[in-house]
Amino acid sequence: DAKTTQPNSMESNEEEPVHLPCNHSTISGTDYIHWYRQLPSQGPEYVIHGLTSNVNNRMASLAIAEDRKSSTLILHRATLRDAAVYYCILRPRSGNTGKLIFGQGTTLQVKP
Amino acid sequence: KAGVTQTPRYLIKTRGQQVTLSCSPISGHRSVSWYQQTPGQGLQFLFEYFSETQRNKGNFPGRFSGRQFSNSRSEMNVSTLELGDSALYLCASRIGTASSDTQYFGPGTRLTVL
Repeated sequence: DAKTTQPNSMESNEEEPVHLPCNHSTISGTDYIHWYRQLPSQGPEYVIHGLTSNVNNRMASLAIAEDRKSSTLILHRATLRDAAVYYCILRPRSGNTGKLIFGQGTTLQVKP
Repeated sequence: KAGVTQTPRYLIKTRGQQVTLSCSPISGHRSVSWYQQTPGQGLQFLFEYFSETQRNKGNFPGRFSGRQFSNSRSEMNVSTLELGDSALYLCASRIGTASSDTQYFGPGTRLTVL
């Protein structure tokens, strides 16, 4: 299973952009890059995913490096509600497995 | 649409007992996965069910088992409980089996083994 590396923790000020990095140097050409986050006392929730091109949705943007060995989750204006653990996860395109391999993730603190 | 529901939300058992946890997926979702979350090991995959069949299994002892019913509801069972089984057990559902399918997690069942 391909592995991801994320910083243990990051801090941000409210209403400022946040860039959460993820390294995945052993990514295969067919792995999707998924991001989930876990708010305190809740189950994880899906944030965004991509394969090669940058992606945007109402929650965040995902910037994928050209060689796909790293990616960055961008929260455009952090709110207090965005304080959570953010997980970067690789999912094989084939195999159809539901298994998500969670690392330790990045704990994001948002200061008012 | 209602989200993934898990019952009970909290449970206290003693060593040696067994426990059954229940998960109701989002309506129309046919795949259900289970995860264990502990402070030491983080989130770990237990197993996945689709159409009443186990598709994948994580690296857990045979004391952990599960099943899925024809309405896609799922249960997991842990027999002969050990102190180390104290954890948050999370269930996730997805509509099918494509790798791009989003997984939707429930709030979890907090199991404490005394």
